[in-house]
Amino acid sequence: QSVLTQPPSVSGAPGQRVTISCTGSSSNIGAGYDAHWYQQLPGTAPKLLIYGNTNRPSGVPDRFSGSKSGTSASLAITGLQAEDEADYYCQSFDSSLSGYVFGGGTKLTVL
Amino acid sequence: QVQLQESGPGLVKPSGTLSLTCAVSGGSISSSSDWWSWVRQPPGKGLEWIGEIHHGGNTKYNPSLKSRVTISVDKSKNQFSLNLSSVTAADTAVYYCARRSITSPYGMDVWGQGTTVTVSS
Repeated sequence: QSVLTQPPSVSGAPGQRVTISCTGSSSNIGAGYDAHWYQQLPGTAPKLLIYGNTNRPSGVPDRFSGSKSGTSASLAITGLQAEDEADYYCQSFDSSLSGYVFGGGTKLTVL
Repeated sequence: QVQLQESGPGLVKPSGTLSLTCAVSGGSISSSSDWWSWVRQPPGKGLEWIGEIHHGGNTKYNPSLKSRVTISVDKSKNQFSLNLSSVTAADTAVYYCARRSITSPYGMDVWGQGTTVTVSS
């Protein structure tokens, strides 16, 4: 099991809004460590999508947004497009492990 | 802009040592705001953080791999390396190098394309 828990899959129709949750604990997200989100398109390297819980790197569309509350973080995607079909991973620092951890990943299917 | 490129053998024998190098171009590995990371992804599975190094030599390792992992930096060649000893089939994966910046945008903002390593006799 991953230290950060994500749903294995989510889906939505084009134009819809989906959210992906990332549940941590008091030693990572709940301890105040930032959550970051990565998008991995099939056959490619991960790409930083959201950093510091809510911030988008330059070039990432504003259809992608992040939030954090308590021991969890969330990624929201609005106006779903076919090109959003990918795997999404959350990441944070864990103080009990003294290292970085990833969620298990969520596969987004655009119907 | 910074680019990363992994290199190394694609096939390693069981009980052997996996050795990979990540070449940094378009920037300096001696940047004080950057840590240099290794992440792997077994076939069909998720991402696993292996460890990271700062140019000054400070390292952090995944506790589950710590006894087998060494990450080092070669400032003269602007590259960093991963050694993973006593490998088994469970170490078969795509290995990525990445930059983790402690300034905005922090997080792993630059990634190599990844290199596939298979552990097999």
